This record gives sequence, C-alpha cells and structure tokens, in this order.
Amino acid sequence: QSALTQPASVSGSPGQSIAISCTGTSSDVGGSSHVSWYQQHPGKAPKFMIYDVTNRPSGVSDRFSGSKSGNTASLTISGLRPEDEADYYCSSYTSSSTLVFGTGTKVTVL
Amino acid sequence: QVQLVESGGGVVQPGRSLRLSCAASGFSFGAYGMHWVRQAPGKGLEWVAVISDDGSKKYYADSVKGRFTISRDNSKDTLYLQAISLRAEDTAVYYCARDRGWLTPETYWGQGTLVIVSS
Repeated sequence: QSALTQPASVSGSPGQSIAISCTGTSSDVGGSSHVSWYQQHPGKAPKFMIYDVTNRPSGVSDRFSGSKSGNTASLTISGLRPEDEADYYCSSYTSSSTLVFGTGTKVTVL
Repeated sequence: QVQLVESGGGVVQPGRSLRLSCAASGFSFGAYGMHWVRQAPGKGLEWVAVISDDGSKKYYADSVKGRFTISRDNSKDTLYLQAISLRAEDTAVYYCARDRGWLTPETYWGQGTLVIVSS
C-alpha cells in the first residue's frame, strides 16, 4: 500500500491552467475507475472535488476537471484563482479492496 | 444537514488504547459505509479503515491491521475506531467520512479529533 506519487508543489498565475499528476500502478490507478481528488485548506477537513476519475460532485466548480491515462491520473484547474491555493490529494481504490491516497501537492497561486 | 462529529481524541501513552467516536446526523446512517482517515501533523492524508453500511465488511490499511478495529452502532448513528498498542506514529488528526461507494470518502467529513501518542 505505497502512497500514490504526486509532485510536491505546482504553481501558476491567476487565470492560468495547471495540472497535478497522480501516479500509481496497475493495482490501483491503472486498474481502477475509482480515482478521486480532494482539496484541503490549512486546518480544514478535505473537500471532495472529483470522483470516478472525471465526475464533479454537486457544487464543485467546473474549473476543476479530472482525467486518467494508464497508471497516471490528473487534476486540471483552469482559470486559477487565489482561493485555489491549497493542498490537493488524489486517492484510488485498489485491487486489495483498500484505499490509497497520494502524497499530496501544494498549489501556489503566484 | 449532514453532520459528522468526532470525539475521543487526546494524549495517550505509547502501548495504551483509545476509542474514537463519530456521531452522525442529518442522514440515514445505516445506509452508508463509513471511513476513518488520519493526517499526521504537517503530513498527508492516510486512509485507515472502512466499514460497510451493515457492519459486515471491514477493510484496514496495513499500518493499522491487527491493532485498530472499526465498528458501528446503527441504532446510535455512531461510528467507532478502537485503537490498541498505540505508537508515536499513530499521532494524527483522525477524520471520519461518509462513503459514496467503491471506498470513496465523499463530501461529508467531520472536523477531526487529534490523537497524540506520547509519554
């Protein structure tokens, strides 16, 4: 149950688009359609942003989108805003019927 | 509205035990699986365990298997995590979260309860 690999940090200017990668194996990301993404601001509980690779829960901005290719999933944030500055985590269902989170990515809005 | 409220955290000595609770309200608790997720200070999220809606299925992270037990009482709308043989590395904020299916913690999370394992 090794954590999924994410870049430690990603940055962008307001209005730009950024992408965060989440790399696993064929036992998790590559073999699962149940990849999710969470946003976490300091001192707060995580916020559910994307589920089943591409789906947005009700109320989540359409500036957030998800995709997957092989063993790597990605979260794209379009039209970057100051309030998007936060930590982001991916997660995946695994072939062992467990859940694994990514290492986390700090997004900075320049 | 949906609410999840954790309790039971605190300072505990290494090797001792602790039971965390998560009180649910605003939804049909017995219709949903539930998760425990933890976060060590300054670190990332770590999935701990999940329990099915009726309590018949339970799955654990390797790091806690054999030491932690997830359970629920649907008559009391409450989720539990019994932790024994606690270690310093179990120090974390523990969150409960509702499952949307396929082991996906969804929109509803508690505010977390802090467990500090220290002598």
